[in-house]
Amino acid sequence: QVQLQESGPGLVKPSQTLSLTCTVSGGFISSGSYYWSWIRQPAGKGLEWIGRIYTSGRTTYNPSLKSRVIISVDTSKNQFSLKLSSVTAADTALYFCARDAYSSSANWFDAWGQGILVTVSS
Amino acid sequence: SYELTQPPSVSVSPGQTATITCSGNQLGNKYVCWYQQKPGQSPVLVTYLDTKRPSGIPERFSGSNSGNTATLTISGTQAMDEADYYCQAWDGSTEVFGGGTKLTVL
Repeated sequence: QVQLQESGPGLVKPSQTLSLTCTVSGGFISSGSYYWSWIRQPAGKGLEWIGRIYTSGRTTYNPSLKSRVIISVDTSKNQFSLKLSSVTAADTALYFCARDAYSSSANWFDAWGQGILVTVSS
Repeated sequence: SYELTQPPSVSVSPGQTATITCSGNQLGNKYVCWYQQKPGQSPVLVTYLDTKRPSGIPERFSGSNSGNTATLTISGTQAMDEADYYCQAWDGSTEVFGGGTKLTVL
């Protein structure tokens, strides 16, 4: 049973870069059968997809965040990471990493981390 | 940008059938999946590729998608099904989630 665990600072100052890591256990991130995604949820609100990465390093980002997002993968550590630059209070949210299954031109998130709350504040 | 619209809330009596809708332009031409999220927990996938159900998800959860509307149906709703439900689809450039529906079992 695959498990995902987010880690990183819970507090980031405005204009700085938010950096999170997702550690995958119970399976190899390099297996090639999945993408790996980041999703966020502001308190009391809905879900927003941030972007995904394949083990080859190929990425796809939400156009609304694309200019500020970098997702990378480290297969040797079985981890993938998120960097979101120039953060503002609007980026305060619970950030989830998720395993991203796909077929027939569709993707779905079949395993999620517990989430990590990131607050943007000075 | 593409939008998926869900009713903010749906109420159902225990044992009855709950229907949660997700509307979007020509949504029937896309694949839809649904997630259940209970307070303080991560979302859980309950259906994918419109109608498929992951292992471990009870048979009372079923999905459909046609025209402009996808539907999550919960037959014989139980108290444990009370949660927020989100639909999701790919719009060609990004994954889009509906705004969520709070299902109340009373």
